[in-house]
Amino acid sequence: EIVLTQSPGTLSLSPGERATLSCRASQSISSNYLVWYQHKPGQAPRLLISAASNRATDIPDRFSGSGSGTDFTLTISRLEPEDFAVYYCQQYGSSPLAFGGGTKVEIK
Amino acid sequence: QVQLQQWGAGLLKPSETLSLTCAMSGGSFGGYYWSWLRQPPGKGLEWIGEINYSGYTNYNSSLKSRVTISADTSKSQFSLKLTSVTAADSAVYYCARDPYSNYFDYWGQGTEVTVSS
Repeated sequence: EIVLTQSPGTLSLSPGERATLSCRASQSISSNYLVWYQHKPGQAPRLLISAASNRATDIPDRFSGSGSGTDFTLTISRLEPEDFAVYYCQQYGSSPLAFGGGTKVEIK
Repeated sequence: QVQLQQWGAGLLKPSETLSLTCAMSGGSFGGYYWSWLRQPPGKGLEWIGEINYSGYTNYNSSLKSRVTISADTSKSQFSLKLTSVTAADSAVYYCARDPYSNYFDYWGQGTEVTVSS
């Protein structure tokens, strides 16, 4: 069973800054089958990235995903006010599906 | 634009049955798996189970004995029933669409369910 660890737990940044979020897996993820979601309070989670680096439909290009094997990164190049949220990674390369504990990106 | 609207009882007593429904609009019901997930307070997301257009279901082994997911394809709705709930079942429950890929490209807004005597 794969365990995903996200770091940091909270990231305090200002609009316009770059955000770098990490998702580390306890074992290699098959075919880099990792996704990232954005979740704002009271809203539906939103798919950002699939297969580690493929932006989902209508996702702005300031969001990018990278990584392979056990180490993955979500980068937000320049934070917009609407980007402050909790971000989760999820692996879908093996059963059972696993989610990370989340990184909260908050306004500094 | 696909939208998932979910509803159901938010407060249950121990041993009761949790019942939630999710209605899909703006897309096709066929060609996808329709899933339920949950997130207990302070904990991570957990996949509960899924159903497809043909009625094939797949459940998390840890919940399988208590879970039933069904679908009404004529209404593009699917439902979750979880029997014999306890405080450990208190969580925000989400419905979501899986494009046959084991991840979720559209989600409902979540329903907070509390189990308390």
